[in-house]
Amino acid sequence: QKEVEQDPGPLSVPEGAIVSLNCTYSNSAFQYFMWYRQYSRKGPELLMYTYSSGNKEDGRFTAQVDKSSKYISLFIRDSQPSDSATYLCAMSVLTTDSWGKLQFGAGTQVVVTP
Amino acid sequence: DTEVTQTPKHLVMGMTNKKSLKCEQHMGHRAMYWYKQKAKKPPELMFVYSYEKLSINESVPSRFSPECPNSSLLNLHLHALQPEDSALYLCASSQARSGGRGRDTQYFGPGTRLTVL
Repeated sequence: QKEVEQDPGPLSVPEGAIVSLNCTYSNSAFQYFMWYRQYSRKGPELLMYTYSSGNKEDGRFTAQVDKSSKYISLFIRDSQPSDSATYLCAMSVLTTDSWGKLQFGAGTQVVVTP
Repeated sequence: DTEVTQTPKHLVMGMTNKKSLKCEQHMGHRAMYWYKQKAKKPPELMFVYSYEKLSINESVPSRFSPECPNSSLLNLHLHALQPEDSALYLCASSQARSGGRGRDTQYFGPGTRLTVL
């Protein structure tokens, strides 16, 4: 069983719809939770960073963490064609040197159709 | 500014060539990372440097040789690569200082697309 599970999609939604993405994890030691967006042939771009259970909102993006269920989500409101990308969840445990080894999900390909 | 730069953007090399990838950040971050990413897969960690010292080598073949000349620069030296090494090579950095949440947040560069013939 993988430490982080994420449906690879593709997930196709019409423009203006809410995109709902999620990941489950098995390692209760994970402390920090991230969502990255990656356009084709580009580097991952950090979207959201959270460390506690609950919701965090940034513009059209809402990240949700439920540590008791080992489940994280990302919601994108009012989706645009420019949101078409692969979304990677990632989570980490801090080392003694204060860097984190990221465990990525498989990435979900999202297609927003005009 | 959360920019990590990588050069070159694209690299084509033969199996007998020696080449180097370069990564630079000026955010004062003290941890730097090399990842390899194949198509439709998540990034795979190769090496981690923390305070200019190699902290992790994820069983990477010796034909990949990392170097951290100073806290802002990270190189990856390539020699005698195989066609299966063709991939997107990503560099990332994070603060890695004590105190404060978010210090492990990794910021990625745009990557170098490597093709080995």
